[in-house]
Amino acid sequence: DVKVTQSSRYLVKRTGEKVFLECVQDMDHENMFWYRQDPGLGLRLIYFSYDVKMKEKGDIPEGYSVSREKKERFSLILESASTNQTSMYLCASSLRREGSRDTQYFGPGTRLTVL
Amino acid sequence: SQQGEEDPQALSIQEGENATMNCSYKTSINNLQWYRQNSGRGLVHLILIRSNEREKHSGRLRVTLDTSKKSSSLLITASRAADTASYFCATRPAGANNLFFGTGTRLTVIP
Repeated sequence: DVKVTQSSRYLVKRTGEKVFLECVQDMDHENMFWYRQDPGLGLRLIYFSYDVKMKEKGDIPEGYSVSREKKERFSLILESASTNQTSMYLCASSLRREGSRDTQYFGPGTRLTVL
Repeated sequence: SQQGEEDPQALSIQEGENATMNCSYKTSINNLQWYRQNSGRGLVHLILIRSNEREKHSGRLRVTLDTSKKSSSLLITASRAADTASYFCATRPAGANNLFFGTGTRLTVIP
C-alpha cells in the first residue's frame, strides 16, 4: 500500500513564525501536491511538483513556498505565518498524470493553528 | 471555477438504504474521481471513471458519468454506519495538470 506521511497531525504556531510542513511518500511517485482544506471551500491546491527540484504554483500559492530536494519528500513552507493560514493542510502523491495512475494518495493531514 | 460541485451538501439516511450523491462540473474532462474523507483525516480514493466510460462499479459503489450533461453520480448501496464520511468528486479537465475538487457531500448513515 502507498503510504503518505505528514510530520505533524496538529501544530500551533504564532503569527510571524516560519513554519515547515513535511510530507514523505514511500512509493516512488513522481508527483506530489499540497492542498489546504477549509470549511465550505473544499480542497484548494497550493503547490505541486512533478519531479525533484521542480515546482509549480497551484490556485493559492501566495504566502507559501515549497521544496523538493528528494523524490520522496515535499515540504511546504510558510515564510511568515498569518492567522488566515490557519487550516487543514493535506499532502498527496500520484504516480502519473494520466489514466488510472492519476489517482492521488493522501496523507492524514496537518491541522495548523496560527495564533 | 473548474471545480466540481456536489449535491446535496449533506445527506442523512438509515442504515441499509441507498445513498446517491451528484457532481456537476463545467469543462470537458479526461477523468472524474470520487474520494472519501473520514472526519479530520486525509482523503481516500474510491473510484476513477474516464471520459469515455459511462458507468463503473466497485463493490457497493456505482458511478455514472454523463459528459453531455457534465455530471456524475455516486451510488452507495446498502449503506452502513461506517460509510459515514464526506465524499468529494475531483475532475481532471482536458489539458489541465491538476485535479479540481468539489466542496463535498457530508453523508451520515444512522444505525
